Amino acid sequence: DTAVSQTPKYLVTQMGNDKSIKCEQNLGHDTMYWYKQDSKKFLKIMFSYNNKELIINETVPNRFSPKSPDKAHLNLHINSLELGDSAVYFCASSRSGTGTETQYFGPGTRLLVL
Amino acid sequence: GQQLNQSPQSMFIQEGEDVSMNCTSSSIFNTWLWYKQDPGEGPVLLIALYKAGELTSNGRLTAQFGITRKDSFLNISASIPSDVGIYFCAGGYNFGNEKLTFGTGTRLTIIP
Repeated sequence: DTAVSQTPKYLVTQMGNDKSIKCEQNLGHDTMYWYKQDSKKFLKIMFSYNNKELIINETVPNRFSPKSPDKAHLNLHINSLELGDSAVYFCASSRSGTGTETQYFGPGTRLLVL
Repeated sequence: GQQLNQSPQSMFIQEGEDVSMNCTSSSIFNTWLWYKQDPGEGPVLLIALYKAGELTSNGRLTAQFGITRKDSFLNISASIPSDVGIYFCAGGYNFGNEKLTFGTGTRLTIIP
């Protein structure tokens, strides 16, 4: 069983479109995260949710809107996609939201905006 | 925001060689984590360190939490082909809902 799963794995779309990425964890964790990994492989946190509540919201454009329907799911909706949004987006989860908890990562969603 | 510098940025070694890499920060952390990312996959935790000076092993991997709390080191002994990948350090705090800060990564390539 996959602990943290993401769909889709690949997403190719045109500039200006709106798209969503879904994430689910079956670890019973309370906290989930979205990270962006750029072409230089630098991992930067975007958001974190603890028990469906937004905890961390880094300086991310308003076009990015996370939604957590329950603590096992954290989706990421992106409006008006831009070329610079092309990256790999990773979902992760941890038992709690403290900064020292081990985070378990999903396989990533490779987004390419044309 | 804060960034952790990893060194070296990339390494090309032969199978069987030992590998050393480090991570430095401008501020202190009270947790250091080391992750490995295989091509096309998400990062996977290798070792977690929770105390300054701590030395922890996981098979051929050994990591240390620096005394100053501003650095950490990862060593891999007798490298094998499956060690190829990108290694990330990450620093964290346990004072509440703090985020992990990831390093810039060290890409390891093994030359046949």
